[in-house]
Amino acid sequence: QVQLVQSGAEVKKPGASVKVSCKASGYTFTSSTMHWVRQAPGQGLEWMGWINAGNGDTKYSQKFQGRVTVTTDSSASTASMELSSLRCEDTAVYYCARDPYYPTGVWGQGTLVTVSS
Amino acid sequence: EIVMTQSPATLSVSPGERATLSCRASQSVSSNLAWYQQKPGQAPRLLIYGASTRATGIPARFSGSGSGTEFTLTISSLQSEDFAVYYCQQYNDWLTFGGGTKVEIK
Repeated sequence: QVQLVQSGAEVKKPGASVKVSCKASGYTFTSSTMHWVRQAPGQGLEWMGWINAGNGDTKYSQKFQGRVTVTTDSSASTASMELSSLRCEDTAVYYCARDPYYPTGVWGQGTLVTVSS
Repeated sequence: EIVMTQSPATLSVSPGERATLSCRASQSVSSNLAWYQQKPGQAPRLLIYGASTRATGIPARFSGSGSGTEFTLTISSLQSEDFAVYYCQQYNDWLTFGGGTKVEIK
């Protein structure tokens, strides 16, 4: 079945970077887009960016422009999201999601990133 | 950036009653609007896309309506498993989510 499995929880210090990975299975990886969405504790959903896994085109939310980079490794059917210059307010669960607003949409299980000194 | 505003923030409803959730866009998103349900500790689950089309496996008690800037999610008869947080999301101009509506037991 179609599945997205994300990397494990991370603890980072302010100013550091974090890279979260998302391994896809059960479908042709390059046929879809992959989105990244985060959710701070007790808060709502926040879209961060998107990559077309077929051609590598990316688009980022203005809020994260310059701090976020989304990439793919098609040979490993894996998408990754790197967030730099971490601040305490970046503490959140980070989700990858394939085509989330299409019937074929699938979400990863989420990765908790904790930023603390 | 298109801003999505959901109301109310919290909706208290008794099981079996109807729930009506609203979502307003700061500019037209046509019918490029999705609704998600999220329960604690879980990823969001797609309920509605294209403003009114139910996703696979979603019960008929969930219905979506609207276009342009005003949208509604209706749950016709709330079941115990429907108490959750609901988010709208526009995908007409990249993506933005509303702030969510928590549907709680009255």
